[in-house]
Amino acid sequence: GESVGLHLPTLSVQEGDNSIINCAYSNSASDYFIWYKQESGKGPQFIIDIRSNMDKRQGQRVTVLLNKTVKHLSLQIAATQPGDSAVYFCAENNQAGTALIFGKGTTLSVSS
Amino acid sequence: SQTIHQWPATLVQPVGSPLSLECTVEGTSNPNLYWYRQAAGRGLQLLFYSVGIGQISSEVPQNLSASRPQDRQFILSSKKLLLSDSGFYLCAWSLDTQYFGPGTRLTVL
Repeated sequence: GESVGLHLPTLSVQEGDNSIINCAYSNSASDYFIWYKQESGKGPQFIIDIRSNMDKRQGQRVTVLLNKTVKHLSLQIAATQPGDSAVYFCAENNQAGTALIFGKGTTLSVSS
Repeated sequence: SQTIHQWPATLVQPVGSPLSLECTVEGTSNPNLYWYRQAAGRGLQLLFYSVGIGQISSEVPQNLSASRPQDRQFILSSKKLLLSDSGFYLCAWSLDTQYFGPGTRLTVL
């Protein structure tokens, strides 16, 4: 079946470090992937997306890497700040392309 | 720019009571609309999605229903709430990427 998972439920880093959050997906036919950030009590916020015809995409302080060979997705956050503390979800489009399938999330904690 | 609204922000309801959560989108036309539920500390579960007025697809069997009376309005309903309906309900819209609303925290007692 379709599923998206994350390797670690929690990640703790120091302010200023680079953070890497990983995600494994199972549907080799997925062609669209998104990373979301969710702060406590709020809806998920779009961070960055990538299509399967790309291996890497960069945004402001964030980079998403896609390895289709091993079905692995990662989010890299440069110079992590306390405001980056949140739960991060990866998502892939479902087989029908009508909706997203979400992983369980990784909680990123940034200490000063 | 597009915005998405959900209300109420929080709701406490007794078991067996009805439910109506509303979601509206501004600044776009004919979006796909979605309802998700998120249990505490867990991921998002897709409940319903809609590709147009009156077109609703249900992803999981439950005592909830959804309706889309207007292009940019999506409503989540129940005739009788269960304890297990408690959670954080999120509405989302997309033309391509999905964008989420602020959510409704529902507690069923």
